[in-house]
Formats: sequence, C-alpha cells, structure tokens
Amino acid sequence: NAGVTQTPKFRVLKTGQSMTLLCAQDMNHEYMYWYRQDPGMGLRLIHYSVGEGTTAKGEVPDGYNVSRLKKQNFLLGLESAAPSQTSVYFCAGGQGGEQFFGPGTRLTVL
Amino acid sequence: EDQVTQSPEALRLQEGESSSLNCSYTVSGLRGLFWYRQDPGKGPEFLFTLYSAGEEKEKERLKATLTKKESFLHITAPKPEDSATYLCAVHRGGTYKYIFGTGTRLKVLA
Repeated sequence: NAGVTQTPKFRVLKTGQSMTLLCAQDMNHEYMYWYRQDPGMGLRLIHYSVGEGTTAKGEVPDGYNVSRLKKQNFLLGLESAAPSQTSVYFCAGGQGGEQFFGPGTRLTVL
Repeated sequence: EDQVTQSPEALRLQEGESSSLNCSYTVSGLRGLFWYRQDPGKGPEFLFTLYSAGEEKEKERLKATLTKKESFLHITAPKPEDSATYLCAVHRGGTYKYIFGTGTRLKVLA
C-alpha cells in the first residue's frame, strides 16, 4: 500500500518548456488536490477533483491544467513554464476531511 | 476574508519542556480544523481533525484543542523526534477549499 505517490521527485525546466506531474493513489480517495508550497506562504490549492472525470480551479490555477481520467491518477500540467512556477508541488488525496499527501515534486524553472 | 495565522513562526524547546502552538482562524462556516506535521523534504502528515468548539484530540505527546476562534497544539514533554513544522488548516463549509497556515517550525534540543 504505497498511499499517494508523485513523479518525478525533482525537475529543472527552462522558461517556456512544458511538463506533466503525475500523482497516483491506491487509497481509493474520491477527492484529489494539487498544491504548491512556497516559503512564507503556506500551501495553496491549484486545482482539485471530486471524482473521476471532474476537475475544478483552486486558489492559484493560472498557468496550470489538470486531468483525472482515472480515479487513481491526477495529472498536473504546465504548458509554458515560468520562473514564478518554481516551487514544491504536493498532491493529496482525501474523502472530504483529512488529506493524505504525497512526498512532493521540487520544480525549478530557469 | 478567510485567514489562518499560526504562532510562533519558530520555537526552540529543550527536551521535556512542554509548550503550545497556536492557530487562529477566521472562516465562514468552519467545517473542520486540521493539524499536520511536516518533516523537511516530505509531504505533510495528517495528525488531527477537530470539528467543533470544545473538542480535544490526543496522540502520544500531542493534544489538540479547539475554540471558536483558535486551536492549540499542546506538546507535553517533547522529544527531539518531535522536531518538525506543524501546519494548521481549516475547511470552509460548502466548498472544497482548505486554507493552510504558514506553520510553526519546532526544534526540540536533546
């Protein structure tokens, strides 16, 4: 039982490049979330999903897209990376209450 | 405006020296208040959920309490392994929105 996993763990991009972050969960969570964590700002919600095939915008959605084609996977895409998107990204799964987080992806955009 | 404020930002304790962390909040229709522990380089780990004023939860050396305006995380006789950042979050009723505080960095010295 791996819980919530994220790939990759680290990534360096150049401005304008694209990439996809993958989140996978084996806990049968209906809800899944993508957050970014920046120093002094706390975790901020980017997008979330309340079930397979559904997505919705969170607090800071600009520059990101998501998809949830399968219940166990939640993908976060950056179409054209910007230095402001340098951050640590966390995926979480939950059932409407407490959330269970993955180990994070550290992304640097040069 | 929904807001979560944690204090202090950082706290250094000697092993065995009990103390409390504070999480004050303003949110419309609190649906739940959550405490997480985050170790460096890792995702937040769920600790407690509190739903109503007067509620208390305990786990080993940690005890969380809730009033209508704030929550406390009491740490009794801490050990060096309790060193971590402790995050507080609130869930706004009627939404899927979770608001996180910036955390308290706790260091327990042997």
